[in-house]
Amino acid sequence: DAGVTQSPTHLIKTRGQQVTLRCSPKSGHDTVSWYQQALGQGPQFIFQYYEEEERQRGNFPDRFSGHQFPNYSSELNVNALLLGDSALYLCASSDSGAGGNEQFFGPGTRLTVL
Amino acid sequence: AQRVTQPEKLLSVFKGAPVELKCNYSYSGSPELFWYVQYSRQRLQLLLRHISRESIKGFTADLNKGETSFHLKKPFAQEEDSAMYYCALSGPGSYIPTFGRGTSLIVHP
Repeated sequence: DAGVTQSPTHLIKTRGQQVTLRCSPKSGHDTVSWYQQALGQGPQFIFQYYEEEERQRGNFPDRFSGHQFPNYSSELNVNALLLGDSALYLCASSDSGAGGNEQFFGPGTRLTVL
Repeated sequence: AQRVTQPEKLLSVFKGAPVELKCNYSYSGSPELFWYVQYSRQRLQLLLRHISRESIKGFTADLNKGETSFHLKKPFAQEEDSAMYYCALSGPGSYIPTFGRGTSLIVHP
């Protein structure tokens, strides 16, 4: 099991563009959460997907949206990119059947907005 | 609002010295506390959680509700402990952790 995988590894976009990041959860996990980690900060929760629905959402604008597919993989979409969106985006998966408490993180996607 | 404060951005010690990484939290209720670790070129991973009351890699952390703290301790630091450590908190039933900004631990030989 490769664990949580994310693609792409790095991405460079310009202001105003749109971006889609992808995440495949650890085998057996059904819940996916997305985090934004700015330089020198801890991860900040964006939202969580379970059963293809957004279950919880952090304090992020509607420009940030997501999707979960029947195979539990997930996408994070960001529209109208701002310079401040430059960050490491982390995906984490968990198993709701095991209490969902422990989150397993992916390696992240580094997004740079110019 | 829930908040996690890690007052030290960097902690530098010598091998064999005791280590204490501080974590204070703000939460009205009974939170669940975690420590996550990120070694160089590796992904973020759970180190320990307060409900488990275990010692992982020689590290322990005790939840002090009176002082609202969850400090991470190890009596004798090893070079391989060098990493970024994040304290995190979640409300009961939430499972969404709020992270502190992290403390970089450097253990010198």
